[in-house]
Amino acid sequence: GESVGLHLPTLSVQEGDNSIINCAYSNSASDYFIWYKQESGKGPQFIIDIRSNMDKRQGQRVTVLLNKTVKHLSLQIAATQPGDSAVYFCAGPQRNAGNMLTFGGGTRLMVKP
Amino acid sequence: DTGVSQDPRHKITKRGQNVTFRCDPISEHNRLYWYRQTLGQGPEFLTYFQNEAQLEKSRLLSDRFSAERPKGSFSTLEIQRTEQGDSAMYLCASSLIVASGYNEQFFGPGTRLTVL
Repeated sequence: GESVGLHLPTLSVQEGDNSIINCAYSNSASDYFIWYKQESGKGPQFIIDIRSNMDKRQGQRVTVLLNKTVKHLSLQIAATQPGDSAVYFCAGPQRNAGNMLTFGGGTRLMVKP
Repeated sequence: DTGVSQDPRHKITKRGQNVTFRCDPISEHNRLYWYRQTLGQGPEFLTYFQNEAQLEKSRLLSDRFSAERPKGSFSTLEIQRTEQGDSAMYLCASSLIVASGYNEQFFGPGTRLTVL
């Protein structure tokens, strides 16, 4: 989703439930996408990545889905834990600018015990 | 801890003062990036270095912003004549470029700047 000013979209889930965080992108030439997790007071931390020639990639408790037709990707977190509470960003590198990252607006995930 | 360190972690300054932030990347990393993050937003790219060469600086927000990486190791970001709108988190990231394609950027904890 889009964030406006100080208001990040927030997803609130119960501990143990699955979480799905969404991201839309605009550049159809994008060939690589990354999900980052950012905890309060820390820098972004790499979670998982996916290349555009894939539509799904799985990690430990996380899965990223890529739908190039509608330019959408999602991050699924299985059995969400309190430690998953953070802001999640999707990002993509710009190849013609030293792989500088362009970040999406972010979603705040809150896990209720 | 990613291995990228930034100093100071917090800086409070008065409007009009100059500030300088330092970033120490992972030691063998040849590429270093600076980003700015305002509250509720994703990081926004400012500039990057390949070794000591600054290869992109058009995204620096104004001519009050400058960055250096004199020996290809640590880097500094300076903001002159700070304004209240400069209040943000300044993030540094580093990566090791060995081939074409994307190489993971490791982020430091950031320096939070507050301009009064």
